[in-house]
Amino acid sequence: AQKITQTQPGMFVQEKEAVTLDCTYDTSDPSYGLFWYKQPSSGEMIFLIYQGSYDQQNATEGRYSLNFQKARKSANLVISASQLGDSAMYFCAMRCPSGAGSYQLTFGKGTKLSVIP
Amino acid sequence: DAGVIQSPRHEVTEMGQEVTLRCKPISGHDYLFWYRQTMMRGLELLIYFNNNVPIDDSGMPEDRFSAKMPNASFSTLKIQPSEPRDSAVYFCASSHQATHKANYGYTFGSGTRLTVV
Repeated sequence: AQKITQTQPGMFVQEKEAVTLDCTYDTSDPSYGLFWYKQPSSGEMIFLIYQGSYDQQNATEGRYSLNFQKARKSANLVISASQLGDSAMYFCAMRCPSGAGSYQLTFGKGTKLSVIP
Repeated sequence: DAGVIQSPRHEVTEMGQEVTLRCKPISGHDYLFWYRQTMMRGLELLIYFNNNVPIDDSGMPEDRFSAKMPNASFSTLKIQPSEPRDSAVYFCASSHQATHKANYGYTFGSGTRLTVV
């Protein structure tokens, strides 16, 4: 079964500093995709970044980068130069494009990030 | 593109009443998903459709929940009768087969916050 673990219920970071949000995953499928979503207090789910299991390089999208360590089954999100608007819940998710449930995203419990001015 | 549109944004109802949540996916998307978010259980997939056909409803909690997709531009999630434990945020999301294979995840609606008193 697919499983996503986010061990940090809450994190604090000083404005302009970098922060890493942890995510580990478990799957026996060799092909999978890893996603990070941001959920601000307004409630919407915002797609941030994607990493495929066969991608050779770590994904980057602006201030977001994904530290993908396949052997460790970790996909940590790194936010550089934190801004006050980054305060939100962050969810790691996985999809395995084969077998039962191949089209669903499995989510972790989330990490609440608070950026301190 | 207006994105995934959900209505209502907020719903407060009394226990035992019927509740209907509505979703309009992005035009051209052929997958539609209903998720439920609670503090205790996080984000859970309830059901998803492909080309208006329900594919996996194993996440639907019980017979009180039902979902339909009468056409490509509209889906409903109905709870009858509602109970206080159904209180949650219900998200609708849609995606396209092409973006699925490209693993770009889904586009979520803004959610419906349901409170059953």
